[in-house]
Amino acid sequence: AQRVTQPEKLLSVFKGAPVELKCNYSYSGSPELFWYVQYSRQRLQLLLRHISRESIKGFTADLNKGETSFHLKKPFAQEEDSAMYYCALRRGSTLGRLYFGRGTQLTVWP
Amino acid sequence: DADVTQTPRNRITKTGKRIMLECSQTKGHDRMYWYRQDPGLGLRLIYYSFDVKDINKGEISDGYSVSRQAQAKFSLSLESAIPNQTALYFCATSGPDGYTFGSGTRLTVV
Repeated sequence: AQRVTQPEKLLSVFKGAPVELKCNYSYSGSPELFWYVQYSRQRLQLLLRHISRESIKGFTADLNKGETSFHLKKPFAQEEDSAMYYCALRRGSTLGRLYFGRGTQLTVWP
Repeated sequence: DADVTQTPRNRITKTGKRIMLECSQTKGHDRMYWYRQDPGLGLRLIYYSFDVKDINKGEISDGYSVSRQAQAKFSLSLESAIPNQTALYFCATSGPDGYTFGSGTRLTVV
């Protein structure tokens, strides 16, 4: 079975501070990991996927297979980063369904 | 135009009423999904369909039914709505380019 755990429901930081949103997963195979973001009253949007190894809006995430983690990081948070963030896992196949964590609500204070 | 369109955007209905939420997509994807989003619980999968002839239950299918009328259309029905089905409902499609979500339907059962 697979599971995605986001241990923090709420996370608050001040503008300019570093931020890290944690995501741990359990899956015996080779998963594909994603971060989705949902700004207030908007649809979920893909932020990052681990296979692309890119930086979007200053966010990065590295898949650590030893620790089974895929934490999302940004060195200097901005107020516009305030949103709900979901970590998600897909099992191998590019057409497989996603399994979501419960989400972390990030608030960046001015 | 949105790739994934959900109607209605908002709906208030009474306990015991039947209600249908509709989803249409222009992505050309075979795979479609219905999720509900609740605070603190994240996104939970209700039903999914890998093609027109394929319907699968998700984690929380009780009290819901679906219809895949065409590749582009996937409807979710609540046969007899109850207050704990008050939630934000999202439709999504998936293909080689990943998941695309609709804007959501906010359903309130009173």
